[in-house]
Amino acid sequence: GEDVEQSLFLSVREGDSSVINCTYTDSSSTYLYWYKQEPGAGLQLLTYIFSNMDMKQDQRLTVLLNKKDKHLSLRIADTQTGDSAIYFCAAANQAGTALIFGKGTTLSVSS
Amino acid sequence: DVKVTQSSRYLVKRTGEKVFLECVQDMDHENMFWYRQDPGLGLRLIYFSYDVKMKEKGDIPEGYSVSREKKERFSLILESASTNQTSMYLCASSSLSSDTQYFGPGTRLTVL
Repeated sequence: GEDVEQSLFLSVREGDSSVINCTYTDSSSTYLYWYKQEPGAGLQLLTYIFSNMDMKQDQRLTVLLNKKDKHLSLRIADTQTGDSAIYFCAAANQAGTALIFGKGTTLSVSS
Repeated sequence: DVKVTQSSRYLVKRTGEKVFLECVQDMDHENMFWYRQDPGLGLRLIYFSYDVKMKEKGDIPEGYSVSREKKERFSLILESASTNQTSMYLCASSSLSSDTQYFGPGTRLTVL
């Protein structure tokens, strides 16, 4: 069935790069998404990549998409304590009726 | 900017009470969604709606119902709240032409 998987925890030091990985099964997504959730808040759309692209860069964020392996990653350069949050990967289901979310990766940044 | 608002940030109810969670979006989006979020389980889709008066079951609809009388408003109803419905509830909306979803701030519901 349709599924999106990601590791649950990542711990980095301030100033390092963070890489959060995600794999997905069959998807009809035109876009693949990364959402960020800060404590006690809703999900904020962080960035997305068109499914025909390999890479998208947006300031400190780099999204890489390997469509053959169905692998998506989010790289945060120069990670700051304010980047501490839960990051969700999402892709559309086969029917295109809803997004399927991974369980979220909790990023902890220590100073 | 898209704005999705939810009626309450925190709610405490008693077992057996009928609970209404309201969600309003201001971008004329056709699609609206209700999720619940629990530690270790991620987001699970409860119900969604493509249009006024239309609704579709998601992955975990049991114990919930929804109402969409107006395009901008999507309500989640717990007919008889139970302790296992204690959770964070998130509402989202998207347009017909895109699967990009925009989320509200969430309602943390505690059922005692």
